[in-house]
Amino acid sequence: DAKTTQPPSMDCAEGRAANLPCNHSTISGNEYVYWYRQIHSQGPQYIIHGLKNNETNEMASLIITEDRKSSTLILPHATLRDTAVYYCIVRVGSLIQGAQKLVFGQGTRLTINP
Amino acid sequence: ETGVTQSPTHLIKTRGQQVTLRCSSQSGHNTVSWYQQALGQGPQFIFQYYREEENGRGNFPPRFSGLQFPNYSSELNVNALELDDSALYLCAGGPPNTGELFFGEGSRLTVL
Repeated sequence: DAKTTQPPSMDCAEGRAANLPCNHSTISGNEYVYWYRQIHSQGPQYIIHGLKNNETNEMASLIITEDRKSSTLILPHATLRDTAVYYCIVRVGSLIQGAQKLVFGQGTRLTINP
Repeated sequence: ETGVTQSPTHLIKTRGQQVTLRCSSQSGHNTVSWYQQALGQGPQFIFQYYREEENGRGNFPPRFSGLQFPNYSSELNVNALELDDSALYLCAGGPPNTGELFFGEGSRLTVL
């Protein structure tokens, strides 16, 4: 079972910041928070991941609370192409011997409105 | 562009048949994993391969099997197809020590 809880759906206006929450209250000390998204009929796309510090890349920012029990993915200026299902996943960080298992939940269906 | 390509993109089989799905990943992706995604659900981990050996498996029966080849390609084989095997099958590759997985576009299997 997925170790995260996300709202099933969210809406955001184009050009505004989209803030997607995720609860992971049972996260362990060695588990990272990963975010992927899946645009309709495509394979999932990696967005960002972090352990305890906030992270930012060209796609998004990840804010992790100090107790690490929740996080927020921020898309700073949402566009119509950001409409997708967003998955928050917790997993052991380093790929020891190729450990690539991701446990996907239902995700959040984000709709960007013009 | 993820560097992971899958074939075929779509196929139809009948119950009881066998199917082979293929995946080609870019150089450096020496780990590969396969996922099954039923309609409206998140992807479910089937298994992973590293250095041509299976080293992790999800809750799937033995009729789901795979191979990984030295040229960064891999196969997913499913025997004795059942109606519930109808799904999108996703292949993911990546270097062994990063958190990023690169997914292909998937092979959509329909079992009649």
